Amino acid sequence: NAGVTQTPKFQVLKTGQSMTLQCAQDMNHEYMSWYRQDPGMGLRLIHYSVGAGITDQGEVPNGYNVSRSTTEDFPLRLLSAAPSQTSVYFCASSYRLEGSGGYTFGSGTRLTVV
Amino acid sequence: AQSVTQPDIHITVSEGASLELRCNYSYGATPYLFWYVQSPGQGLQLLLKYFSGDTLVQGIKGFEAEFKRSQSSFNLRKPSVHWSDAAEYFCAVGPNILTGGGNKLTFGTGTQLKVEL
Repeated sequence: NAGVTQTPKFQVLKTGQSMTLQCAQDMNHEYMSWYRQDPGMGLRLIHYSVGAGITDQGEVPNGYNVSRSTTEDFPLRLLSAAPSQTSVYFCASSYRLEGSGGYTFGSGTRLTVV
Repeated sequence: AQSVTQPDIHITVSEGASLELRCNYSYGATPYLFWYVQSPGQGLQLLLKYFSGDTLVQGIKGFEAEFKRSQSSFNLRKPSVHWSDAAEYFCAVGPNILTGGGNKLTFGTGTQLKVEL
């Protein structure tokens, strides 16, 4: 099993550009989430999904969109990149918390907005 | 709203010494509790989790954590640290499935562990 796969691993954008960060999992997990990691701030939840067709906002959703058309994929779209979105982005997936092993994380996408 | 506090930003220990990383949480009910480890340039790996039952939980790599309800704490311990344990450690809290479920984990800001040889 590949687990959680994120692409690309690195990306540089200019202010105002848009892009999509890809996330795919092959474990048939119901739950998928996007977090951003910034120094001294831990991980903050951007958006999450409890199943195909269902998404909701997390703690820091502004400037990001998501959709979940399949169980496997959960792309994160940056609508108009801003320097404040420079961060490391992690996608994670899990079964329902009870009885699961917790989240499985991807290896991250390091995004720089100039 | 739930919150997680990891009061130690950096900790340095000598190889072979014992380790305790502190985690305090604020939550309306008994939550699910987790510890994750992140090596440089890597994603997060689950070390251990507490859902219910025995308050002392064992994890991978020789780590353990103890849930203390009265102190709202979930401290991570290891009896003898190895140089390969140098990494960043994150405590996280999530909703108990009996009180609403979901998987919106709230993470602490992390503790960076340095191991001196």
